[in-house]
Amino acid sequence: DTVLTQSPALAVSPGERVTISCRASESVSTGMHWYQQKPGQQPKLLIYGASNLESGVPARFSGSGSGTDFTLTIDPVEADDTATYFCQQSWNDPYTFGAGTKLELK
Amino acid sequence: QVKLLQSGAALVKPGASVKMSCKASGYTFTDYWVSWVKQSHGKSLEWIGEIYPNSGATNFNEKFKGKATLTVDKSTSTAYMELSRLTSEDSAIYYCTRAEFGLDYWGQGVMVTVSS
Repeated sequence: DTVLTQSPALAVSPGERVTISCRASESVSTGMHWYQQKPGQQPKLLIYGASNLESGVPARFSGSGSGTDFTLTIDPVEADDTATYFCQQSWNDPYTFGAGTKLELK
Repeated sequence: QVKLLQSGAALVKPGASVKMSCKASGYTFTDYWVSWVKQSHGKSLEWIGEIYPNSGATNFNEKFKGKATLTVDKSTSTAYMELSRLTSEDSAIYYCTRAEFGLDYWGQGVMVTVSS
């Protein structure tokens, strides 16, 4: 299975720029998606196809990368962005998720 | 608007089975794959498998073959997942999702607790 590796946690101040990384154990082309999950809620799609902003998601969120290295950028970060962010690949079978990066605001 | 409404929480005994539902509305049910995702307590997400309502075609994560059965009822736009031979490892929240480019809509989740 394709393993997706994310850093476990980040802490940033409101107004700053934050990048969350996701590294795949093998190429996933641009079949990478990003989700935000707040406590007690279901995940929400933010970015699909590595760099496409899902409808209704603020333009503060952006994604980049291809192959094995991907990033989710939030600029500027707002207090409401406190959540866990997951990457997910749909290029290789089975689809897999990263372990999540918990974003905390200082 | 697109909605996926899942059935309620379930408390089941070890060795038993559970069947949960996911009722879709706001879009043409037969045009999109429905994926199911497991989230164990405090942990990450696992893709279980998917079903295409129009044909009933399925794809599964090997890990869940023999554990999960996916079906649909096109007349009610409802997808179902049955989990069999439950153990404590199956205690988790299970989500149904609509799959297009990414998993773009998620149900609210079904908490399954396996306990005697």
